[in-house]
Amino acid sequence: KAGVTQTPRYLIKTRGQQVTLSCSPISGHRSVSWYQQTPGQGLQFLFEYFSETQRNKGNFPGRFSGRQFSNSRSEMNVSTLELGDSALYLCASSNYPGQGSDTQYFGPGTRLTVL
Amino acid sequence: AQSVTQLGSHVSVSEGALVLLRCNYSSSVPPYLFWYVQYPNQGLQLLLKYTSAATLVKGINGFEAEFKKSETSFHLTKPSAHMSDAAEYFCAVAGAGANSKLTFGKGITLSVRP
Repeated sequence: KAGVTQTPRYLIKTRGQQVTLSCSPISGHRSVSWYQQTPGQGLQFLFEYFSETQRNKGNFPGRFSGRQFSNSRSEMNVSTLELGDSALYLCASSNYPGQGSDTQYFGPGTRLTVL
Repeated sequence: AQSVTQLGSHVSVSEGALVLLRCNYSSSVPPYLFWYVQYPNQGLQLLLKYTSAATLVKGINGFEAEFKKSETSFHLTKPSAHMSDAAEYFCAVAGAGANSKLTFGKGITLSVRP
């Protein structure tokens, strides 16, 4: 099986712009979670989608949003980019929602740089 | 609420030496515990997972971890370090249920000296 794929792998934007990142889960997985990784804050949970519904959300401002399509692919969007949004954005997929009992498989991430 | 503490940000060992990476957790419910590894410019790879089936968990690449409830610890060990083990290691905790979330520690960078 192919693993989790994320596109693009690298992205450079300027402050005030918006950005959309894409994640394709492992075939058959219906749950997709997003994380932000920065040197200062470490790995932080953004949100989780299952069957096109947001099941869980972390403590991020409303500028961060996401959605999931019927084929389980997911996108996350960040509007009005700030310098502090520069980070590695990781996507993970699993069969079921909840990040305890079911193992999450991570993609390689999208490196976003905001200038 | 749940949390993970990984003491220290960097561990350096010689090739062939014991690797010990410490993790302490806090959880109000019986936890699921994980160790992930991240190589440069890559995502996270699961090393092992504790699910209460056994307190000693064996993972990939020769790593194992022991769950000690009395110490709220889940330390990662490997008897003999290899150069390819150099990476960043994250301990994480989650509860059960469909609304559980993974909470990660800050991570520990492992260096292996020849």
